[in-house]
Amino acid sequence: DVKVTQSSRYLVKRTGEKVFLECVQDMDHENMFWYRQDPGLGLRLIYFSYDVKMKEKGDIPEGYSVSREKKERFSLILESASTNQTSMYLCASSYGGELFFGEGSRLTVL
Amino acid sequence: KNEVEQSPQNLTAQEGEFITINCSYSVGISALHWLQQHPGGGIVSLFMLSSGKKKHGRLIATINIQEKHSSLHITASHPRDSAVYICAGSNYGGSQGNLIFGKGTKLSVKP
Repeated sequence: DVKVTQSSRYLVKRTGEKVFLECVQDMDHENMFWYRQDPGLGLRLIYFSYDVKMKEKGDIPEGYSVSREKKERFSLILESASTNQTSMYLCASSYGGELFFGEGSRLTVL
Repeated sequence: KNEVEQSPQNLTAQEGEFITINCSYSVGISALHWLQQHPGGGIVSLFMLSSGKKKHGRLIATINIQEKHSSLHITASHPRDSAVYICAGSNYGGSQGNLIFGKGTKLSVKP
């Protein structure tokens, strides 16, 4: 079974802190994605990556950056967390168009 | 602009009922995904289809390409089916695997 693992299920951070959300997949998938999910807005794409060191902006990249130094790992970085970044963050990898999601990381920024 | 619209937004059913969730999508979407999200949990991919019908256990997904419409059916519903069901379209003319999501249907099945 494909496994997508997100490093933290729950995080609480303060405004201005730097936040790292880590995602690891074990199926050698080339495509990886970071989404955020908010009530009433559904899932929105932040960034995605097709290969190591490649990244492309999604629909809402502002305030975020990403890193893909190894194929299995895709990190989402909040350089200076703000309260409007309080959300559920979901990582996914894909193969053949099918998506495999992690369990999600619920981030609260105080 | 590619869009995906789901209905209903909320659905309450009694155990055993037949359930249908609908999804309409715009031009440019070449495959339709149905996803399931349990409270507090991650998202599981149920189906990916670009034509016809797929079945897995009590779940059936259909798609009508001409009408740009897909349905997810649950037969003999059970309280454990309570979840948010999300329809999403993918556009292979753009980023493979990059989906356009509906807002989700929250299903609650009462015993």
